[in-house]
Amino acid sequence: GAVVSQHPSWVICKSGTSVKIECRSLDFQATTMFWYRQFPKQSLMLMATSNEGSKATYEQGVEKDKFLINHASLTLSTLTVTSAHPEDSSFYICSASLQGAKNGYTFGSGTRLTVV
Amino acid sequence: GEDVEQSLFLSVREGDSSVINCTYTDSSSTYLYWYKQEPGAGLQLLTYIFSNMDMKQDQRLTVLLNKKDKHLSLRIADTQTGDSAIYFCAGANDYKLSFGAGTTVTVRA
Repeated sequence: GAVVSQHPSWVICKSGTSVKIECRSLDFQATTMFWYRQFPKQSLMLMATSNEGSKATYEQGVEKDKFLINHASLTLSTLTVTSAHPEDSSFYICSASLQGAKNGYTFGSGTRLTVV
Repeated sequence: GEDVEQSLFLSVREGDSSVINCTYTDSSSTYLYWYKQEPGAGLQLLTYIFSNMDMKQDQRLTVLLNKKDKHLSLRIADTQTGDSAIYFCAGANDYKLSFGAGTTVTVRA
């Protein structure tokens, strides 16, 4: 159990366009999901916490108007990178937890975004 | 938040044991995790340990926790080529995970 599916696995877009990334919990309900960003050869940086039915909680320094998060159901959270620029190119990963920290956090397979 | 530090690289011969070390600063972390990341993929949870435990063993994996020194280690017995990856330790305080920079493990024949 505790499978998290993330789509797309990779996307290339032009500067100025928006890109939506989906994160789904396949076999459990997730009231909370997390979005991370990972730069090459670096660790994961938490961007925001996505809460079902309410606004996301963004980490300091993350632009909420730039990275729109919607968590409309207990199994789906989306991250939209708006007006993407080359510096937004990165690896984005979502995660969710079944029953909290004691079961660990399950991660999606990640999305490689390249903005040209 | 939690500061988590790891050594960046480890090279090990196939069949030997690998030991990856991690230190953390926040003693209030309830759970400590080890994740594995293969190239271009997400993170795979390998194992975790509750903060009141000293050791946890799961097949080839052994986690040791020294809470006094805030030191966590992961031992992989009989390391195989498929174990080549980046390994992250992470601490959970409430629901937030703080990751180390990751240790790149290279298994050589």
